[in-house]
Amino acid sequence: DAGVIQSPRHEVTEMGQEVTLRCKPISGHDYLFWYRQTMMRGLELLIYFNNNVPIDDSGMPEDRFSAKMPNASFSTLKIQPSEPRDSAVYFCASSPVGEEYEQYFGPGTRLTVT
Amino acid sequence: QKEVEQDPGPLSVPEGAIVSLNCTYSNSAFQYFMWYRQYSRKGPELLMYTYSSGNKEDGRFTAQVDKSSKYISLFIRDSQPSDSATYLCAMTTGSLLSGGSYIPTFGRGTSLIVHP
Repeated sequence: DAGVIQSPRHEVTEMGQEVTLRCKPISGHDYLFWYRQTMMRGLELLIYFNNNVPIDDSGMPEDRFSAKMPNASFSTLKIQPSEPRDSAVYFCASSPVGEEYEQYFGPGTRLTVT
Repeated sequence: QKEVEQDPGPLSVPEGAIVSLNCTYSNSAFQYFMWYRQYSRKGPELLMYTYSSGNKEDGRFTAQVDKSSKYISLFIRDSQPSDSATYLCAMTTGSLLSGGSYIPTFGRGTSLIVHP
């Protein structure tokens, strides 16, 4: 298996622009997680899905952030409009049912908002 | 005070040394404790997880949880240069199967350098 795939790996955009981050989880995994990592705040869970359904989005910082999972093999995290404080590395992870701690992380998307 | 405190380091040790990495926390409701390893510019990978207090061993790694002191540790025996990475602790009050909140709280991570 190729593991969790994220795209793009790097994104540089200007403040106010829409940003869409993409994730393909490992086939057969029922849980998908979106995290954000910064030097100031560390690693934070933003939202997670079970069988394509959002379960807990209490970590989403504000309404500018939204996440969708239209099918079992694809998820997006969208920021609209983007702000410089959104600059971070965004990770997607997936895990099989019953093994929620055995999360497999993708390589991350490094987002820079200027 | 952050809910989970972790010394950022860096912690520099010679190859073969026993490494002790630690986290303290303030929320007594935490029941599940995890350690992740993160190499530079990579995603974290789970090393170990434990439920409640006690010890758990896996090869060169031992995780300890002392809930009375709100203190968790990860020990690495016979450390190798390949162990050089950032180690993150994380904890939750519940699990996805047992219910409760699965939103993990992470420490900031400790940078470990094992030199040959």
